[in-house]
Amino acid sequence: GAGVSQSPSNKVTEKGKDVELRCDPISGHTALYWYRQSLGQGLEFLIYFQGNSAPDKSGLPSDRFSAERTGGSVSTLTIQRTQQEDSAVYLCASSLYPGQGAREQYFGPGTRLTVT
Amino acid sequence: ELKVEQNPLFLSMQEGKNYTIYCNYSTTSDRLYWYRQDPGKSLESLFVLLSNGAVKQEGRLMASLDTKARLSTLHITAAVHDLSATYFCAVGINNNDMRFGAGTRLTVKP
Repeated sequence: GAGVSQSPSNKVTEKGKDVELRCDPISGHTALYWYRQSLGQGLEFLIYFQGNSAPDKSGLPSDRFSAERTGGSVSTLTIQRTQQEDSAVYLCASSLYPGQGAREQYFGPGTRLTVT
Repeated sequence: ELKVEQNPLFLSMQEGKNYTIYCNYSTTSDRLYWYRQDPGKSLESLFVLLSNGAVKQEGRLMASLDTKARLSTLHITAAVHDLSATYFCAVGINNNDMRFGAGTRLTVKP
């Protein structure tokens, strides 16, 4: 079946511009996560959506970052007034059921953001 | 705050050799994950460990979990070049969330 998809795969933007990154989770997955991975680094948690609950935004690095999830499916991560330090790969993951079983996260291919 | 520490962060090994990657974490958890990431690629799930003493094996990789020691290991047996990648452990927290270690970049040389 279809996995997690993300778009665009690559985005080059000028400093100060806003960008939107999109994630389509696996159909039926109730949980959706955004992570950031800088070059050669580990994964930095950004935000987590679970069903209709209020999202866990504790990982967002600044108020320039926001995310929404419409209809419990597609999610958009928005970065306003981009800075060069925002350059990274942004990974989205989804997970099936909360509180049951392995709760394994399945990752998308990522969006590579370059801020010039 | 949960801390997930992997070591080593960089590992260069010869083909045919054995080695172990360690993942220590600082809080109680009921699940531990191992992922593989190839350069320029996304993360691929390798193992999910859900109980103390759990051991899982796939090919030349074997993962184990000791929840009392808050330690998981990823053992590599008779390494081959195809195993070269970055390996991440991740600790389950709350109901449906996880936090990742910094990753171990493994290079297997002929």
